Amino acid sequence: TQLLEQSPQFLSIQEGENLTVYCNSSSVFSSLQWYRQEPGEGPVLLVTVVTGGEVKKLKRLTFQFGDARKDSSLHITAAQPGDTGLYLCAGEGWGKLQFGAGTQVVVTP
Amino acid sequence: SAVISQKPSRDICQRGTSLTIQCQVDSQVTMMFWYRQQPGQSLTLIATANQGSEATYESGFVIDKFPISRPNLTFSTLTVSNMSPEDSSIYLCSVEGTSGSYNEQFFGPGTRLTVL
Repeated sequence: TQLLEQSPQFLSIQEGENLTVYCNSSSVFSSLQWYRQEPGEGPVLLVTVVTGGEVKKLKRLTFQFGDARKDSSLHITAAQPGDTGLYLCAGEGWGKLQFGAGTQVVVTP
Repeated sequence: SAVISQKPSRDICQRGTSLTIQCQVDSQVTMMFWYRQQPGQSLTLIATANQGSEATYESGFVIDKFPISRPNLTFSTLTVSNMSPEDSSIYLCSVEGTSGSYNEQFFGPGTRLTVL
């Protein structure tokens, strides 16, 4: 059983469309990270959210941390093929970083 | 962020043999982590390696199967011993970031292992 549940598992969209990925848990996290992993590479840290209700923007990516610090979302506006990758959320739990199962995003031209 | 390299980047091995994976960091770090990522799956922590002490293994992983060395603050190795096809995975090392208590991690590019 994953501590962090991500949805959807897979998302295929056309260039220019918007998408949202969700990360949910029944546990409270002091912080939550989002990573993107491209084929043949390790995960790359995109953002860390710390405060309940916090919203962070990274160009076309918007990250939100739930008020209760149990869930988070990643929204991509006007997706581009370069956004293709495996998106992973992770939170600190039981003394280690717990990863969600990931959402595979494919953006086609 | 730290720059992390891993060797080899990929390997194909025979059942019953062992492979040692190297992880090099461009700065001194206290904690290094080893993860396994099976095909299409998320990351599973194998062990945490601190310099000067024994590695701490997660449930389901044992030292005899995955011995780890941490000879200094910039280097670690993970050995996958007596391999079977079930060990085919991507093995990743990571280090903690420097932002304090947020437990952010920075990853190497991974070693893709195929066991025949």
